Amino acid sequence: AQSVSQHNHHVILSEAASLELGCNYSYGGTVNLFWYVQYPGQHLQLLLKYFSGDPLVKGIKGFEAEFIKSKFSFNLRKPSVQWSDTAEYFCAVGGYNKLIFGAGTRLAVHP
Amino acid sequence: KAGVTQTPRYLIKTRGQQVTLSCSPISGHRSVSWYQQTPGQGLQFLFEYFSETQRNKGNFPGRFSGRQFSNSRSEMNVSTLELGDSALYLCASSLGDSGRKNEKLFFGSGTQLSVL
Repeated sequence: AQSVSQHNHHVILSEAASLELGCNYSYGGTVNLFWYVQYPGQHLQLLLKYFSGDPLVKGIKGFEAEFIKSKFSFNLRKPSVQWSDTAEYFCAVGGYNKLIFGAGTRLAVHP
Repeated sequence: KAGVTQTPRYLIKTRGQQVTLSCSPISGHRSVSWYQQTPGQGLQFLFEYFSETQRNKGNFPGRFSGRQFSNSRSEMNVSTLELGDSALYLCASSLGDSGRKNEKLFFGSGTQLSVL
């Protein structure tokens, strides 16, 4: 069965702390992986995506993610978070406009 | 360029009623997808329309249906509403080029449906 698992439902960090959000997937076929973010009161927007090539993908706002095929993982990282990173983060897998999303991780960053 | 527009923003219905939600994609986008977002289940794919045809379908009952018009605008209909249908319904649009599996989706702000 196709699925995405996000290990942390809630994460609380202080500004300047490092961030790593876990994502594991189960998917048959060619893997396309995404991280989306939903800031409070805003719509979902794409942070970064992986479909082939370099497994280390850089996205907007200093975020990056690493695709590790052997671990079926696509973890999101940021070396130093800011208060403005407070949001809900969704990992997704799929393609052809049919995405399977994880349950999301709510990140709260305290000043 | 205007973003994805969903109307209405909020809806309150009672069990047994039906509801129609509307989505206007970004100009030039031909694919419209619908997702249901709930606190417990997260985002779940409902269906995708491209050129007025349903191209992909998720695992929702037949009470959930949709359609797409020639101008790419899409509507989603839910009949015989149940309490569990209370959710945020998100629409996303993209160019819809089937040769590009990794297309970026642009999401609207959603319609918050409450079923009483």
